[in-house]
Amino acid sequence: GQQVMQIPQYQHVQEGEDFTTYCNSSTTLSNIQWYKQRPGGHPVFLIQLVKSGEVKKQKRLTFQFGEAKKNSSLHITATQTTDVGTYFCAGGNQAGTALIFGKGTTLSVSS
Amino acid sequence: GAVVSQHPSRVICKSGTSVKIECRSLDFQATTMFWYRQFPKKSLMLMATSNEGSKATYEQGVEKDKFLINHASLTLSTLTVTSAHPEDSSFYICSASQGYEQYFGPGTRLTVT
Repeated sequence: GQQVMQIPQYQHVQEGEDFTTYCNSSTTLSNIQWYKQRPGGHPVFLIQLVKSGEVKKQKRLTFQFGEAKKNSSLHITATQTTDVGTYFCAGGNQAGTALIFGKGTTLSVSS
Repeated sequence: GAVVSQHPSRVICKSGTSVKIECRSLDFQATTMFWYRQFPKKSLMLMATSNEGSKATYEQGVEKDKFLINHASLTLSTLTVTSAHPEDSSFYICSASQGYEQYFGPGTRLTVT
């Protein structure tokens, strides 16, 4: 079946350093979504990418969708302690259908 | 954004009893809701897709007789864990879809003793 792989599983950085998590799907996706889950919390929607090669930015976060619509990345510039949490990518097909989640990348930031 | 609530947030039950978890979309109608299970420090595993007015679609390996799902209205889906066992202890999260986006409930921590 369809799989979404995400690396790394864990990443520790010093505050101010950059961070990137990568997501790769075994099949072509119609869209990819990114979620953030704080410790003890529930996943919160960050963004959706739909177009091939799309790049979107949210302040210090940059999201990219590959040309083949099979991979994606999330890059955080100059991390802050508030960035701590687990970042999940989730591959989607049709609207209203289930997402296939990657295993997540847990980011820890030390000041 | 759209809000999804879940009740209860935490529940402790004894082995052999049943527990019902409610998932509500508060400010939008959701024809489709999803139930996920999350183990500690793990990703979300889809259990089933709940469609209003029809039977839920279960993922492979999920026992439909154990995890009963009812989607009685466009704003409410329920998950009942029947004859719960300690291995059912987990974090259960629902989501409701609106177009491509999914909005997650806050989750229910189930502990079976």
